Amino acid sequence: GAVVSQHPSRVICKSGTSVKIECRSLDFQATTMFWYRQFPKQSLMLMATSNEGSKATYEQGVEKDKFLINHASLTLSTLTVTSAHPEDSSFYICSARSTSAIYEQYFGPGTRLTVT
Amino acid sequence: KQEVTQIPAALSVPEGENLVLNCSFTDSAIYNLQWFRQDPGKGLTSLLLIQSSQREQTSGRLNASLDKSSGRSTLYIAASQPGDSATYLCAVGYGGATNKLIFGTGTLLAVQP
Repeated sequence: GAVVSQHPSRVICKSGTSVKIECRSLDFQATTMFWYRQFPKQSLMLMATSNEGSKATYEQGVEKDKFLINHASLTLSTLTVTSAHPEDSSFYICSARSTSAIYEQYFGPGTRLTVT
Repeated sequence: KQEVTQIPAALSVPEGENLVLNCSFTDSAIYNLQWFRQDPGKGLTSLLLIQSSQREQTSGRLNASLDKSSGRSTLYIAASQPGDSATYLCAVGYGGATNKLIFGTGTLLAVQP
């Protein structure tokens, strides 16, 4: 149980385009999902916390107009990188918190974004 | 500021050796602490979760301890194997409405056959 999926696993896009990444909790309901970013050989940095049906809370320094987060249902959150640039290339990982185990997060497999 | 640091940054050991990875955190008012494993280019695999009221957790060859007062946790790996090679991350949760995690800097472990 407690499986989180991400789609796509890898994406290459051209500079200036937008990319959407999906995060799904497959076998549980998640009122809260988290989005992290990881640069090569570095740790995970929390970008934002999304709650189902409300606006996401962004960490300091994260541009909310560039990284659009939507948490439309209890099993799906999306991250859209708008007008992507090469410096947005990174590994994006989501996690989900179950409504029944509120203090444990389950992580997705990550999405490798490359902007050319 | 809540910071989590892991020492060493990298470690290479021969197969069969017992080893200890260290995690320290600046704010000791934690709710829980979690150890993860990350293989190259992959997501996170949760290894052990320790609640603030606990002193240690064990799973197979892994043992994690927690000393809240000193702001430290250790991950002990017994009889290391080449398959244990990965990056190990500790993450500290501070509870509250979301219990967002603060991740450590990671330890890259290589177990030589």
